[in-house]
Amino acid sequence: EDQVTQSPEALRLQEGESSSLNCSYTVSGLRGLFWYRQDPGKGPEFLFTLYSAGEEKEKERLKATLTKKESFLHITAPKPEDSATYLCAVQARTGGFKTIFGAGTRLFVKA
Amino acid sequence: GAGVSQTPSNKVTEKGKYVELRCDPISGHTALYWYRQSLGQGPEFLIYFQGTGAADDSGLPNDRFFAVRPEGSVSTLKIQRTERGDSAVYLCASSLGPGTDTQYFGPGTRLTVL
Repeated sequence: EDQVTQSPEALRLQEGESSSLNCSYTVSGLRGLFWYRQDPGKGPEFLFTLYSAGEEKEKERLKATLTKKESFLHITAPKPEDSATYLCAVQARTGGFKTIFGAGTRLFVKA
Repeated sequence: GAGVSQTPSNKVTEKGKYVELRCDPISGHTALYWYRQSLGQGPEFLIYFQGTGAADDSGLPNDRFFAVRPEGSVSTLKIQRTERGDSAVYLCASSLGPGTDTQYFGPGTRLTVL
């Protein structure tokens, strides 16, 4: 069964303290892996799509990487405005277009 | 341009009632997804439309749930005989095409079943 597990469930950082969020996935042939950011009371906001192991993408203080079993979202020198829930999701090649989400990592960045 | 919109933003109903939730996707987007999100969880896939047809409805939990997209644009999620366990935020997303095209989410409809 296709599955996504994110860790940690919650992460508290001081402003400027870099860290990484983990997304472990099990899927029968990966079509794509997605990272989203979700603020309270809002819908998820797209960040990145990764397609194959070894791929990396960056946007401002965020960098996403992908291996055959997991993805990392690296946050460099975070700011309080980076506080949000970060969601990882996958689509399988054989799963139609069903998108499977993890439970998310709640990030709190303190000034 | 306008993003994905969903109405109502909040819906409170009584157990056993029928509800309809509406999604207006981004103009020109052919793919439309419905998800359900419970507190502290990620979105749970319900159904995917490509154009007017439901290409994948494997996530609908039971036959009380039904969704339509008659003209390939606006979609309505319909829930019959609502139960307290149906309480959640219902999210809609649209994308230009199927598969790994970026999904743009609406703000969601918070459904509360008393």
